[in-house]
Amino acid sequence: AQSVTQLDSHVSVSEGTPVLLRCNYSSSYSPSLFWYVQHPNKGLQLLLKYTSAATLVKGINGFEAEFKKSETSFHLTKPSAHMSDAAEYFCVVSDPFSGGYNKLIFGAGTRLAVHP
Amino acid sequence: NAGVTQTPKFRVLKTGQSMTLLCAQDMNHEYMYWYRQDPGMGLRLIHYSVGEGTTAKGEVPDGYNVSRLKKQNFLLGLESAAPSQTSVYFCASSSLEVEVDAAPNTEAFFGQGTRLTVV
Repeated sequence: AQSVTQLDSHVSVSEGTPVLLRCNYSSSYSPSLFWYVQHPNKGLQLLLKYTSAATLVKGINGFEAEFKKSETSFHLTKPSAHMSDAAEYFCVVSDPFSGGYNKLIFGAGTRLAVHP
Repeated sequence: NAGVTQTPKFRVLKTGQSMTLLCAQDMNHEYMYWYRQDPGMGLRLIHYSVGEGTTAKGEVPDGYNVSRLKKQNFLLGLESAAPSQTSVYFCASSSLEVEVDAAPNTEAFFGQGTRLTVV
């Protein structure tokens, strides 16, 4: 069965410093992986997705993630945090084969705080 | 480009009242979902649908019913609201695009949420 683990429930960084949000997954086959962002009182917005052989995925707002099959990881990074990056981030794996529908498996979320 | 639209955005109900949340998508997606989001619990799947006229139970279906009479609409009903149903509800839709030499494209699109309070 597929599963997702976000290793940090809260991450706090200073503006202008790098961001690292960690995600590990388990999958019995080549997965589709996503990072979504949720700003306060808003819906979920797709940041980036991995669905191909390109292991480094670039997303919106300067975020990127690297798919590492050997480590079963899909960590989200950004070189320089901005105040507007403060939000909750969800790592999601898609399992379209085992349940008869496109099952989305959510991590518990990581709340990112950015300090001046 | 409307994407996924939920109505209403906010609602306050008294215990025992009923209501229906509407989700509409304009992307011709086969799959639609209803989730609830509670503090510290992430998103939990209530019900889902794999196509027009079909629905199925998710992780937390009790107290909710759904219908998908048209492909673009997915309705979530609360027949007798309880305080435990106070939550933020999200609708989502997705397709299943098979890619050559790659994992399927199964990106989900989410609505903006409905904040429901049951008093």
